[in-house]
Amino acid sequence: DTEVTQTPKHLVMGMTNKKSLKCEQHMGHRAMYWYKQKAKKPPELMFVYSYEKLSINESVPSRFSPECPNSSLLNLHLHALQPEDSALYLCASSQGLAGEGYEFFGPGTRLTVL
Amino acid sequence: GQQLNQSPQSMFIQEGEDVSMNCTSSSIFNTWLWYKQDPGEGPVLLIALYKAGELTSNGRLTAQFGITRKDSFLNISASIPSDVGIYFCAGPVGSGGYNKLIFGAGTRLAVHP
Repeated sequence: DTEVTQTPKHLVMGMTNKKSLKCEQHMGHRAMYWYKQKAKKPPELMFVYSYEKLSINESVPSRFSPECPNSSLLNLHLHALQPEDSALYLCASSQGLAGEGYEFFGPGTRLTVL
Repeated sequence: GQQLNQSPQSMFIQEGEDVSMNCTSSSIFNTWLWYKQDPGEGPVLLIALYKAGELTSNGRLTAQFGITRKDSFLNISASIPSDVGIYFCAGPVGSGGYNKLIFGAGTRLAVHP
């Protein structure tokens, strides 16, 4: 299995809703990442988990809450989002940290906040 | 902070033409990565470069790691319609003891049959 899977593919939510994005990989990778990508822009790093511990938080607002239940799973909990948070959310994994191996990306979750 | 300057921003070419895009930085990189992203999908790695001067091919794609370690280019030969997409260069930078990837702004490629 050489892929990163993400669910759901699309998500529409209101500003008062609570939802979660899920990511899974079975490549034995020890680093997992959340990126946010706006239209016509490159991916922007949000969080990095290394060996199931949060190692980088790129000053992301607290309405985004990451969780790494085990080495294969990564969640992103969403609460009280704003319309400007609408974007493609990408999960990625790598065998080591950036620079020690390349990152595999999932297909993304297209999030729309109404 | 460190930045990757990617050019051109977009290209419109005829099928069969060759394509060249590049990335430069004011800082040294130890790794250069080239990704392609199709609409509505995540980026897919095309080529990874780990050594200055390295020239690597993947089918019709060829990429080089610049000798100065501050630049890289990607060439696509004999383009076909499925080459359409956004191409990103990327490289790792240090942040608080950890490395993370930064991306160029992307080159949007359109191929006309």
